Amino acid sequence: GENVEQHPSTLSVQEGDSAVIKCTYSDSASNYFPWYKQELGKRPQLIIDIRSNVGEKKDQRIAVTLNKTAKHFSLHITETQPEDSAVYFCAATFPYNTDKLIFGTGTRLQVFP
Amino acid sequence: GAVVSQHPSWVICKSGTSVKIECRSLDFQATTMFWYRQFPKQSLMLMATSNEGSKATYEQGVEKDKFLINHASLTLSTLTVTSAHPEDSSFYICSAPRMDRGYGYTFGSGTRLTVV
Repeated sequence: GENVEQHPSTLSVQEGDSAVIKCTYSDSASNYFPWYKQELGKRPQLIIDIRSNVGEKKDQRIAVTLNKTAKHFSLHITETQPEDSAVYFCAATFPYNTDKLIFGTGTRLQVFP
Repeated sequence: GAVVSQHPSWVICKSGTSVKIECRSLDFQATTMFWYRQFPKQSLMLMATSNEGSKATYEQGVEKDKFLINHASLTLSTLTVTSAHPEDSSFYICSAPRMDRGYGYTFGSGTRLTVV
């Protein structure tokens, strides 16, 4: 079935350290992989995304890598800051089924000063 | 571009009553709208996919008679929670494919439903 797994569920790092969150997806046809940051009670905020024709994408302190063969993708945050503390969700599209977007289970990131 | 307006932002209703949530695409035509539900400290779970002019597709385990979805126009999709119960209290949010980019999704601001 359509499934996106995300690990870890919680992640605590010291300010300045790097944080890595990993996701795997079930359908090799998935072709779009966004990462969202969500504040409590708010809509998900897109922080970076990658399409299946690219292996890596970087935007300042944030990067995403994609391994299509292994069907996994990762979010990398470098030089973490306390304001990076939030819940992060990965997601993947399932193009053979209305292009629906399925979310991972989420990671609560805490960055300690 | 690609703005989805969702109303209401919060609603409190009594058990047994129905609540309608609206999502309007303001600057594009949304042929498809995805509806999600999010319980506290959990992920966004896809409930159903609505397509303009046709019946909605529901995910496994979602009661179609309880969560009525209508997508009568290219700019409006609605979710009606019928005979609401306290366990239906949740954060409901809609999402549409971004036609301006050709990929990606735009989200409504969400509706916090509390059933008392």
